Amino acid sequence: AAGVIQSPRHLIKEKRETATLKCYPIPRHDTVYWYQQGPGQDPQFLISFYEKMQSDKGSIPDRFSAQQFSDYHSELNMSSLELGDSALYFCASSSTSGAPNTDTQYFGPGTRLTVL
Amino acid sequence: DQQVKQNSPSLSVQEGRISILNCDYTNSMFDYFLWYKKYPAEGPTFLISISSIKDKNEDGRFTVFLNKSAKHLSLHIVPSQPGDSAVYFCATENSGYSTLTFGKGTMLLVSP
Repeated sequence: AAGVIQSPRHLIKEKRETATLKCYPIPRHDTVYWYQQGPGQDPQFLISFYEKMQSDKGSIPDRFSAQQFSDYHSELNMSSLELGDSALYFCASSSTSGAPNTDTQYFGPGTRLTVL
Repeated sequence: DQQVKQNSPSLSVQEGRISILNCDYTNSMFDYFLWYKKYPAEGPTFLISISSIKDKNEDGRFTVFLNKSAKHLSLHIVPSQPGDSAVYFCATENSGYSTLTFGKGTMLLVSP
């Protein structure tokens, strides 16, 4: 079965640079979530989108922005990168269709961002 | 303040035995609970879930128990297999928000 796709899988940037992470949800999933997992930490919710509209917002810095496009893929844009932004960034998707496991979030493999 | 706590950072079990992973939460508004398994360099993989209207859900070798009064849930894996060795995250959801709050994870090691 198709899973959540994230690109790139690894990204190395310097301080103050920008980065764009992409997420392609499972086909027919309408909701996308972004999480950040720092070293030795649990995943922390950043932001989510339902039907291309922002639905919830967590601990996302003002330097970050995200959007969901008409094909339901999402991009997380990160500017003025700091050393502390080095982390694993997971995207998850879910469906509100009423099928079994509705609303269950399925995670992608993550993008490992390293800021030097 | 950690709303979801997995107090055991690691657990070692012999193959064939039962693995019991525990999770405590503090927010009584949480009404949906999930367990995810995570291998290194991969994203969390959904295992099993339970809603607050149930106290048990079973799927093959995996059973999740929910004790709402104690704000405690547990994941039982029986029999444990070496391929179960991974980090297990407990996650909770307030259906009004649909975002997940994770515990810090328990690393399970199943030895042959």
